[in-house]
Amino acid sequence: RKEVEQDPGPFNVPEGATVAFNCTYSNSASQSFFWYRQDCRKEPKLLMSVYSSGNEDGRFTAQLNRASQYISLLIRDSKLSDSATYLCVVNNGAENSGYALNFGKGTSLLVTP
Amino acid sequence: EPEVTQTPSHQVTQMGQEVILRCVPISNHLYFYWYRQILGQKVEFLVSFYNNEISEKSEIFDDQFSVERPDGSNFTLKIRSTKLEDSAMYFCASSELFRAPETQYFGPGTRLLVL
Repeated sequence: RKEVEQDPGPFNVPEGATVAFNCTYSNSASQSFFWYRQDCRKEPKLLMSVYSSGNEDGRFTAQLNRASQYISLLIRDSKLSDSATYLCVVNNGAENSGYALNFGKGTSLLVTP
Repeated sequence: EPEVTQTPSHQVTQMGQEVILRCVPISNHLYFYWYRQILGQKVEFLVSFYNNEISEKSEIFDDQFSVERPDGSNFTLKIRSTKLEDSAMYFCASSELFRAPETQYFGPGTRLLVL
């Protein structure tokens, strides 16, 4: 299975800071890209899908560079509640793949007061 | 908001025993999945299931594993003879067929400990 690579961190930032996470994927045929958030001992939860044109959801901005096989997530004005592990996730999207998700190991973020 | 549910939340078993992990996917979803996460490691795909058959399985999903949809609501993962290395969090997920099928919603997981 092709890999998804992330900097494991941890990233320790003060409240209000801007923080960026990066991710690379090795399968050039990948079609769908996501950022999930995982709190300690909890299930992954979809944060946002990532589109080639870039997309924004409130304080979160995701970018995709297909040529470089690179995905990013920017969090502005970070809150204490943003503390979690952020998972870069890639899906091949092919009918016969069963839509299996391929997860990175995650980047840990700790936002401090 | 509809959600995926899983039972039990925790299970402790002896090596060599059979375990069945249960999931109730979101009711209008048609794709079902099992993933596992060994402590401190990444979430790993095990198997996907659609139309009462396996769509894809990973190399982890060997002959010790099986899945079943015994009725219209439950989706189960059976491990026939558990090994120590099967200790992990097991997540069930489901996705809707026609809207962003690759957007999967995860259940809260079953933490399995094999002694």
